[in-house]
Amino acid sequence: GAVVSQHPSRVICKSGTSVKIECRSLDFQATTMFWYRQFPKKSLMLMATSNEGSKATYEQGVEKDKFLINHASLTLSTLTVTSAHPEDSSFYICSAESSRGGSYNEQFFGPGTRLTVL
Amino acid sequence: GENVEQHPSTLSVQEGDSAVIKCTYSDSASNYFPWYKQELGKRPQLIIDIRSNVGEKKDQRIAVTLNKTAKHFSLHITETQPEDSAVYFCAATEAAGNKLTFGGGTRVLVKP
Repeated sequence: GAVVSQHPSRVICKSGTSVKIECRSLDFQATTMFWYRQFPKKSLMLMATSNEGSKATYEQGVEKDKFLINHASLTLSTLTVTSAHPEDSSFYICSAESSRGGSYNEQFFGPGTRLTVL
Repeated sequence: GENVEQHPSTLSVQEGDSAVIKCTYSDSASNYFPWYKQELGKRPQLIIDIRSNVGEKKDQRIAVTLNKTAKHFSLHITETQPEDSAVYFCAATEAAGNKLTFGGGTRVLVKP
């Protein structure tokens, strides 16, 4: 089946630093990847849609200058949390869309990255 | 945009009983409805999905029904087992490349 990896799985950083999270589709190409944020016991909140070779589309209320997304290849998208603050602490999950043909593509999720900002 | 409501938020069932989770959506253009299971600290895993041209789909103990007229869809788990305990999310989307809109999640606890 389709496998999506995320790195790192956990990161602890000091306030004011930047953190980069990688999302890779290991055995398929993904023109579209999605970045979500999940708070404890809450649903997945879509932050942005990452399209290979073009700018990401951010959801309302998500600061594009704070959450930088780069989708430089068909297998890699990165999310950089710039100048992180404690309120950015969360579980960040990516997903990659795999084409099975037809009009509907299944999304496969990465294992998530738990970010803690001190 | 799409809005997906999910009920109940928590569900406790006795092992062997059935569990039903219901979702409603607002965008009549939505055509694809996946269900995900997420265990604590893990990634969401697709367990079943249904497309708009089908009213019902079954996979062993799991089934999903879709009523496009009423804009609601449901997940049915029969003969529940303790390993079914997890958080379940419904979602809806219009087409490939479009974002999924998730419901709020249902925490299911199967008591042995």
